[in-house]
Amino acid sequence: GAVVSQHPSWVICKSGTSVKIECRSLDFQATTMFWYRQFPKQSLMLMATSNEGSKATYEQGVEKDKFLINHASLTLSTLTVTSAHPEDSSFYICSARGSLRGHSPLHFGNGTRLTVT
Amino acid sequence: AQSVTQLDSQVPVFEEAPVELRCNYSSSVSVYLFWYVQYPNQGLQLLLKYLSGSTLVKGINGFEAEFNKSQTSFHLRKPSVHISDTAEYFCAVSDRGPNNNDMRFGAGTRLTVKP
Repeated sequence: GAVVSQHPSWVICKSGTSVKIECRSLDFQATTMFWYRQFPKQSLMLMATSNEGSKATYEQGVEKDKFLINHASLTLSTLTVTSAHPEDSSFYICSARGSLRGHSPLHFGNGTRLTVT
Repeated sequence: AQSVTQLDSQVPVFEEAPVELRCNYSSSVSVYLFWYVQYPNQGLQLLLKYLSGSTLVKGINGFEAEFNKSQTSFHLRKPSVHISDTAEYFCAVSDRGPNNNDMRFGAGTRLTVKP
């Protein structure tokens, strides 16, 4: 089945530094990738939709200058949390879709636990 | 736009008992429906999906779900649960429009299987 690799699985950084999270589709070309944030015991909150070769579309309330998304190829999207603060600590999950059609399921990475100290 | 309601935030059940996790959706157009499972500190894994055809859909790990259009429901069931089924379960809906990237998730149901 389709595999999405997300790296790193966990990261601890100091306040004010930037952290990059990678999301790769290993055996299919992902026309679209999605980035989510998940708070403890809550559902996924869509942050942005990333299309290869174009600017990401951010959900309302998500700061595009703080959460930089780059989708440089059909198999790689990156999320950079810039100038991280403790309130950015969360579980970040990416997903990818091989097709633009609604019936195509999302394939998820295993998530990245970010802790900002 | 579509939305999903998972009626139970937590469902505790004993091992080998049957379980049903409820999901209702709302949409102005026809939809595709999905159930995902999330184990601690992991991403989501697809359990099953309804696209068309038979309203009873079988998925992995012995789970099944039934699409009921009149009740706009897509409840997930398993006749006999195991300890290993303890996880968070998410219902999701995607509309049938072409080139649609929008998938909406419910708030999740935490299934806890007790020995």
